[in-house]
Amino acid sequence: GQNIDQPTEMTATEGAIVQINCTYQTSGFNGLFWYQQHAGEAPTFLSYNVLDGLEEKGRFSSFLSRSKGYSYLLLKELQMKDSASYLCAAPRGYGQNFVFGPGTRLSVLP
Amino acid sequence: DAGVTQSPTHLIKTRGQQVTLRCSPKSGHDTVSWYQQALGQGPQFIFQYYEEEERQRGNFPDRFSGHQFPNYSSELNVNALLLGDSALYLCASSWGRATNEKLFFGSGTQLSVL
Repeated sequence: GQNIDQPTEMTATEGAIVQINCTYQTSGFNGLFWYQQHAGEAPTFLSYNVLDGLEEKGRFSSFLSRSKGYSYLLLKELQMKDSASYLCAAPRGYGQNFVFGPGTRLSVLP
Repeated sequence: DAGVTQSPTHLIKTRGQQVTLRCSPKSGHDTVSWYQQALGQGPQFIFQYYEEEERQRGNFPDRFSGHQFPNYSSELNVNALLLGDSALYLCASSWGRATNEKLFFGSGTQLSVL
């Protein structure tokens, strides 16, 4: 079976750095995705990791450790518009049948 | 370039009724997946359509069915609605069937069953 776990809520201050963790258990590994979802809106793709290490994209970075079944999303220089839910997801087997975590609702305070 | 569009945006039904939700994929995409997202939870995979056939299915009862048309648009049908079917229904499109293809989501249809 496959299971993805992440904290349900986090709070951080504007301008700060926040790390959102994700642990996963999969029967086969085909990479790990992060999506951002603002309230009432569609999830949008943030990052994809298939090899161990850090992938950096501007203010957002994502890290993967396959041996530990662990990933994190790092958000730097937080802005109010970063208040959203962050979803960790992994494809289940062949094709694009994704398992999503419960999502981490991040609140950025002034 | 239009993204993924879904209709309607909101829907209210009563128990036992039937509902049809519609999705047009992003231009150039040929694969459509449907997800159910309950409040405060992550999306749950319902099924995926590719080449007008259901290719993969999640753990949802037969009351959930779908269709993909030659223009790649898709419908999700839910029969005999239950209160527990109240959720945001998301359509996602992609190209092909590779597992590393990112999904493009529509804004969803918010279904309320009373």
